Amino acid sequence: QVQLHESGPGLVKPSETLSLFCAVSGDFIYDKYWSWIRQPPGKRLEWIGHIYSSGTTAYNPSLKSRVTISVDTSKNQFSLKVTSLTAADTAVYYCAREADEYFDHWGQGTLVTVSS
Amino acid sequence: DVQMTQSPSTLSASVGDRVTITCRASQNIVGWLAWYQQKPGKAPKVLIYKASTLETGVPSRFSGSGSGTEFTLTISSLQPDDFATYYCQQYYSFRTFGQGTKVEI
Repeated sequence: QVQLHESGPGLVKPSETLSLFCAVSGDFIYDKYWSWIRQPPGKRLEWIGHIYSSGTTAYNPSLKSRVTISVDTSKNQFSLKVTSLTAADTAVYYCAREADEYFDHWGQGTLVTVSS
Repeated sequence: DVQMTQSPSTLSASVGDRVTITCRASQNIVGWLAWYQQKPGKAPKVLIYKASTLETGVPSRFSGSGSGTEFTLTISSLQPDDFATYYCQQYYSFRTFGQGTKVEI
């Protein structure tokens, strides 16, 4: 059974950098795309970007300048960094597996609040 | 960007009703569209991909249709477990989601 689990701080200060991790179990991270998606309170889902097991990435153009996604195949996990945080980055952050470009397995999500 | 617009934003229905949700893309996305169901406090769950293919394990009362710029999700007979918010998502160019349709009593 494929499971994804996000971890990271629940509260970060404005202008700081957010780092989140997604641990994958029940599947190998090889030969697949892995995504980060977020959902601000009461708003629609927003795709942040994805990474292939080889390290190839693609990012949402609206976030590209502030986002980095990395993969650690030895730990079967991938990670997200978002710089220059503002209140607009407050959201539930999900990691997800892509199957043929749609998302077939999701983590439970982690709420990140940007506040001083 | 490919923009996705769903209608209606909220839908009031009863158990047993046939429900239809529409999703429109700002440009031709062929059939590269998925539908998700999300319940409060939970991650979305995929129902349909490639516009009309039912994900394994999803009840057959859910169906999808459409191509190009207009797509629909139909629930043939609404069940109590189906009261939730539904999102469409295109994967023709990057990935973008609709704003959601809340199905409520």
